[in-house]
Amino acid sequence: RKEVEQDPGPFNVPEGATVAFNCTYSNSASQSFFWYRQDCRKEPKLLMSVYSSGNEDGRFTAQLNRASQYISLLIRDSKLSDSATYLCVVNSGGYQKVTFGIGTKLQVIP
Amino acid sequence: DVKVTQSSRYLVKRTGEKVFLECVQDMDHENMFWYRQDPGLGLRLIYFSYDVKMKEKGDIPEGYSVSREKKERFSLILESASTNQTSMYLCASSAGTGFSYNEQFFGPGTRLTVL
Repeated sequence: RKEVEQDPGPFNVPEGATVAFNCTYSNSASQSFFWYRQDCRKEPKLLMSVYSSGNEDGRFTAQLNRASQYISLLIRDSKLSDSATYLCVVNSGGYQKVTFGIGTKLQVIP
Repeated sequence: DVKVTQSSRYLVKRTGEKVFLECVQDMDHENMFWYRQDPGLGLRLIYFSYDVKMKEKGDIPEGYSVSREKKERFSLILESASTNQTSMYLCASSAGTGFSYNEQFFGPGTRLTVL
């Protein structure tokens, strides 16, 4: 089983839709969780951290479910500019070392 | 503004050549990383360094070596390039020490093709 698993998509959604991605992780000792965003032909950039209590940043909400070992990202009122690949990132306690998922591609359609 | 630069955006080399990929960060970060990114496989860690002259193997170090002689510079070396090393190479850096993860800032990547 892969350490971090994501559905690669693509998820094609109309503007204004709500879309959610899940990411599962295999190591129950994992400490920290993040979502990165990668635009086409660009480098990944941190979107948001995922806290045990969940966190929200505008239209984006990230949640952690430790019992089922997954994190989620919810995007409300999708914009064309949200089109990108969303990478799930998990830190399992190794020194500064993280594991990236393969990413979920989102395409927001006009 | 945070900046990580890589020496080349595109590179074409022949099988057996020695290849150097350079990465420089201007943020005085302690940690630097080299990844490769391939379709369907995502980002995979090759090597990382948490201090000058220190290095740690990542998940796929075979066929690669690294050098960190100065804090701001981290080099990836392909001793004898092979076609299966054709990939996008991404360098990243992050601040801090210890096990608490800090945001990684990535360079723009180097698309390496080995013929």
